[in-house]
Amino acid sequence: QKEVEQNSGPLSVPEGAIASLNCTYSDRGSQSFFWYRQYSGKSPELIMSIYSNGDKEDGRFTAQLNKASQYVSLLIRDSQPSDSATYLCAARNSGGSNYKLTFGKGTLLTVNP
Amino acid sequence: GAVVSQHPSWVICKSGTSVKIECRSLDFQATTMFWYRQFPKQSLMLMATSNEGSKATYEQGVEKDKFLINHASLTLSTLTVTSAHPEDSSFYICSARDVKGVGYGYTFGSGTRLTVV
Repeated sequence: QKEVEQNSGPLSVPEGAIASLNCTYSDRGSQSFFWYRQYSGKSPELIMSIYSNGDKEDGRFTAQLNKASQYVSLLIRDSQPSDSATYLCAARNSGGSNYKLTFGKGTLLTVNP
Repeated sequence: GAVVSQHPSWVICKSGTSVKIECRSLDFQATTMFWYRQFPKQSLMLMATSNEGSKATYEQGVEKDKFLINHASLTLSTLTVTSAHPEDSSFYICSARDVKGVGYGYTFGSGTRLTVV
């Protein structure tokens, strides 16, 4: 059973702070990882993808991947109230040809003004 | 960027009737589409994977005769919930894989909120 684990939160940070979201995965063969943001009642939107060990930065977002530890994280700098949402971590399954994603249950982030 | 159009965005139907949800990739060819269901405060649950021109692959526990999936072209996939019951009320979301997109991205449709009364 391929699993992706996330702390469900809620994670509460003040405006302007750094929010740190963490994720672990069980499928050691997974090579691609994704962070999605989902506002209440809406569908997920892709924030970042990461495939190589290390950091990947895009604006206020930094994704970090450590394949040896099977760990993925997302840092949000200068958090804004508009960042308040549920953040979903996903890993693309190894094996097979359909490239299914396994999602974590999501971490609810609240950024307080 | 890649866009997936899903409609209807919401639908209310009577118990026992069928509902069709459409998902279109607007600016790319989606060889693979995924259908998810999401209950309140829960994560996405993959229901099935469909490849253009072939039968869908259903996840364990998902009734293929109840949730009919058709992926007749590279830009259109449909999910039909047959003989819907109140327990089928949920948020249904499609996702398409753009094999030519940056990072082989997965783009989600806007979702369909189904309420069965």
